[in-house]
Parts: sequence; structure tokens; C-alpha cells
Amino acid sequence: DAKTTQPPSMDCAEGRAANLPCNHSTISGNEYVYWYRQIHSQGPQYIIHGLKNNETNEMASLIITEDRKSSTLILPHATLRDTAVYYCIVRGLGAQKLVFGQGTRLTINP
Amino acid sequence: DAGVTQSPTHLIKTRGQQVTLRCSPKSGHDTVSWYQQALGQGPQFIFQYYEEEERQRGNFPDRFSGHQFPNYSSELNVNALLLGDSALYLCASSLPWGSPGRNTEAFFGQGTRLTVV
Repeated sequence: DAKTTQPPSMDCAEGRAANLPCNHSTISGNEYVYWYRQIHSQGPQYIIHGLKNNETNEMASLIITEDRKSSTLILPHATLRDTAVYYCIVRGLGAQKLVFGQGTRLTINP
Repeated sequence: DAGVTQSPTHLIKTRGQQVTLRCSPKSGHDTVSWYQQALGQGPQFIFQYYEEEERQRGNFPDRFSGHQFPNYSSELNVNALLLGDSALYLCASSLPWGSPGRNTEAFFGQGTRLTVV
């Protein structure tokens, strides 16, 4: 499994865009980048995933660099409810499991 | 849609005992995975069940076993409990990963908090 590196913690002001970086320099061509988040005392929640193109859904945007060695999850207008631990995961086709690292603890401040 | 449901929500057991945790997958999902999350750590994959068979297993001892029923629900059993087994146990359901055109993201339940004393 390719490994990811994320900052342990970040802060963001409510209403601003939260940009969460992830480094996955050893990613291979058929591996996807997945993002999950875990709000305190809840199970992880799927946010978004992508292969090489940028992706957007109702929750967030995912920007993957052209060399695919890093990505950024963007929460466009962060709210207090976005305070959570965010996990960046690299997952290969056929890999059944999700390999979670330590994630980034994002705190949204009023 | 009730999503993924797990029971019980909390459990206290004594060292050496056995425990069974239960999971009902999201409607339409046929694959169930179990994860262990120690305090302050990310979830760690235990195993996955599909078509009532263990499909993949993480680095956990044989004390951890599971079962999947014809209705896709699943049980996680842990024998000879150790203090270190205290953790949040998460169940996730999905469609089989790798199926072209199918949405395969995992949906997690709220977990069972197991405390071994």
C-alpha cells in the first residue's frame, strides 16, 4: 500500500476555504486517492475520491497534481461542523481494505 | 435507509472473556469490513467478508474471527480478550471494490466501544 503524509493538525476560520494537503509520492498509476473524515465519536465518512482528474462534489473538491504525487482537499466554505480528523488514503484497484494513517485534525474556529 | 448499524454501542468485558459484535450493512451492500480503532489512532483493517467468506485479512491474530450471513449481516468475534483489545470497532459496508461503474465507497457505522478490564 502506498503511504500518505499529512500534517497532524490545521486550523481554519469559519466561512473560509479549508485546504488540506496530502503527499503520496510513491503512488502508482492505478491507485486512487480517497478522502474520509471522522467527526468525534462517529465512524469515518466518505468525502471524495479521484484518479488523476480534479473532482468536485457537494461536500468538497479534490485537486490532484499532474504528477499525482500530492493532492489537496478543499472545503470551500468551512463550518464548525467540519471540525474532524481528515484521512487521505491511497487505494489500488483490487485492494479491498482502506489503510488509514494518522490523518489531519482540522479545527474550524468561529 | 438506516445506513450501517452496529450493536451494541458500548460493551465492557473482563480479560479472558469472549465477545461478539454485530453489524447490519447499508441496504444494497454485500461486502462488510471490520476495523479496529485504538484511542488516538486511525482505524486498522481486521478483515472483509463477501459472499459469506473471508476475502482479505489484516494483521490480526486468530483470536479475531468473523462470519457473514446470507442477508449480508456480519459478526466479529474476539476470543481470550486482552486489555489491548480495548478499542472502537467499526464496521463498513460497500459493494465489491473494483467493479467497473459501481460506486464502491465504504459506509461506516458508528462503532462499538469495547472496554476490556
